[in-house]
Amino acid sequence: GAVVSQHPSRVICKSGTSVKIECRSLDFQATTMFWYRQFPKQSLMLMATSNEGSKATYEQGVEKDKFLINHASLTLSTLTVTSAHPEDSSFYICSARGIRDTEAFFGQGTRLTVV
Amino acid sequence: GQNIDQPTEMTATEGAIVQINCTYQTSGFNGLFWYQQHAGEAPTFLSYNVLDGLEEKGRFSSFLSRSKGYSYLLLKELQMKDSASYLCAVMDSNYQLIWGAGTKLIIKP
Repeated sequence: GAVVSQHPSRVICKSGTSVKIECRSLDFQATTMFWYRQFPKQSLMLMATSNEGSKATYEQGVEKDKFLINHASLTLSTLTVTSAHPEDSSFYICSARGIRDTEAFFGQGTRLTVV
Repeated sequence: GQNIDQPTEMTATEGAIVQINCTYQTSGFNGLFWYQQHAGEAPTFLSYNVLDGLEEKGRFSSFLSRSKGYSYLLLKELQMKDSASYLCAVMDSNYQLIWGAGTKLIIKP
């Protein structure tokens, strides 16, 4: 299957700082990227969907000014958590889908801890 | 509204067979996915069904009935490493994935 690389896998940051998470499709062109958040023992919660070259579509309740998503190329999307707070601590997962694909391929996930 | 239902938790014995059910009500249907997720890791793809019937892939099989809005994942010859959460997801008419809450499968020796 296709490979999606997400970096970093773990990050600890201080409250009030910003953290950037990268999601790269290594062997295919990802026309659509999805960003999810998963709290312990809960299912995936879609935060936003981004199509290459256009603004991301955020799910209800997700602050677009706090979670900045950039999908500037067909192989890279980034999620920046701005002014992070302890309640933003979570597991963030990206997935990517090519234009001819029905399946979305997941990155490895990023464990964010805000202290 | 859109809804995916699956049991919260199931327990089975090593070497046995277990069936995890998933029922759905969505705006349109473009396929149903099953993913496996171990704690602290991202989900991994198991199966995709878009037509009615049974798809077999090694020890795992997935069944779909579109008229009933129903799917199941069948795991045979259970191994301890199969202890994980199993997520059912449906792709709706907008090609968005609607996720179930996941079924935590506990395998006992």
